[in-house]
Amino acid sequence: GAGVSQSPSNKVTEKGKDVELRCDPISGHTALYWYRQRLGQGLEFLIYFQGNSAPDKSGLPSDRFSAERTGESVSTLTIQRTQQEDSAVYLCASSFLGGGSSNEQFFGPGTRLTVL
Amino acid sequence: GESVGLHLPTLSVQEGDNSIINCAYSNSASDYFIWYKQESGKGPQFIIDIRSNMDKRQGQRVTVLLNKTVKHLSLQIAATQPGDSAVYFCAERRSNDYKLSFGAGTTVTVRA
Repeated sequence: GAGVSQSPSNKVTEKGKDVELRCDPISGHTALYWYRQRLGQGLEFLIYFQGNSAPDKSGLPSDRFSAERTGESVSTLTIQRTQQEDSAVYLCASSFLGGGSSNEQFFGPGTRLTVL
Repeated sequence: GESVGLHLPTLSVQEGDNSIINCAYSNSASDYFIWYKQESGKGPQFIIDIRSNMDKRQGQRVTVLLNKTVKHLSLQIAATQPGDSAVYFCAERRSNDYKLSFGAGTTVTVRA
């Protein structure tokens, strides 16, 4: 089936505005992850959803960041009152199970967020 | 603290030559390691993984080597091709965990 999709692919916003980023995981994948990738850097873990368990929000950098997931499908990452330092590529990944040594994470193409 | 890093930020290699990309990790509790390839404008793509009970694993044109003694991981690409130009990341986690820790990445450029 289709891979992980994300929308929009690019988002330009003004400082102080709210943005919502969407992720559609691979059908049947119970685990979903959000990462942030700043220019020239590796991926920073933001949040993890697994089935009906409480999400792991330990990577969210501030209370301006929040995420939701509807069942085992779509997830949205919301950034309120955006700041220039929020500019980055936001990547979503999904996997069949959350743990285990072979639960490969499949990544979407990312949303490039630019805060002016 | 826990971190995964790469020795070199960039690597230029002649087409047809072999490439070696290195990675050092500091979390001795990690027992599962992955190499990802990220092409421009795309998300990371799984290349190969290795568990800590192995020293070497081979895939198609790629080999991953793990030295747990010095906490070192490497990715070897045989007969590098233009399509191998990308940023390569190593990542690590514990096998019963889900959080991946990524290094900063090595940009590989293949010269024709």
